[in-house]
Amino acid sequence: DTGVSQNPRHKITKRGQNVTFRCDPISEHNRLYWYRQTLGQGPEFLTYFQNEAQLEKSRLLSDRFSAERPKGSFSTLEIQRTEQGDSAMYLCASSLLILPPTADDHYGYTFGSGTRLTVV
Amino acid sequence: GEDVEQSLFLSVREGDSSVINCTYTDSSSTYLYWYKQEPGAGLQLLTYIFSNMDMKQDQRLTVLLNKKDKHLSLRIADTQTGDSAIYFCAESPYSGAGSYQLTFGKGTKLSVIP
Repeated sequence: DTGVSQNPRHKITKRGQNVTFRCDPISEHNRLYWYRQTLGQGPEFLTYFQNEAQLEKSRLLSDRFSAERPKGSFSTLEIQRTEQGDSAMYLCASSLLILPPTADDHYGYTFGSGTRLTVV
Repeated sequence: GEDVEQSLFLSVREGDSSVINCTYTDSSSTYLYWYKQEPGAGLQLLTYIFSNMDMKQDQRLTVLLNKKDKHLSLRIADTQTGDSAIYFCAESPYSGAGSYQLTFGKGTKLSVIP
């Protein structure tokens, strides 16, 4: 397994265009997360999936953003009508949550290298 | 709500120890993490500690947790130039089958002087 893979690594787009990013998680991981990181900041949570179900969305995820994980494997994040404020690094991560969890279980993620979006 | 704070910069000489500090606000049982980010790259998990522990050591890394003050530190022994990076502190409250979303600090940029 080569870890979490994200494509493309870089994307430059004109304001108003739509973009789609892809994330391939570690194959046995059942959870997949999307985070956004702007310059000089730590990553911020956007949304996560347990298998194919999207269980939580941040208020940062406006109506122009949509994420899918149709078969519980790879995920896509689409941004419609991009704005300059969407310029950021979009990070995907995956983890394995085995239920029932215990307090000693480790819930760290494995992050991908990210997709850097520049909206001009 | 959750908030994680870190100092923004740290500069040390090669071979010295580095200590990066972090404070958090969540009062529930929580996981606390240290991630490393090199330029243009994603985040690499360095180590973690659960809030029922006081200390964890892993090779050159030592994590200390002061639960009363909600203060977390990462000590890197014998700092090398390859340790130059941004270090993020993050927390994730224990939540059963919940989201385990991470709340990150803004990161501490560690510069190692040869």
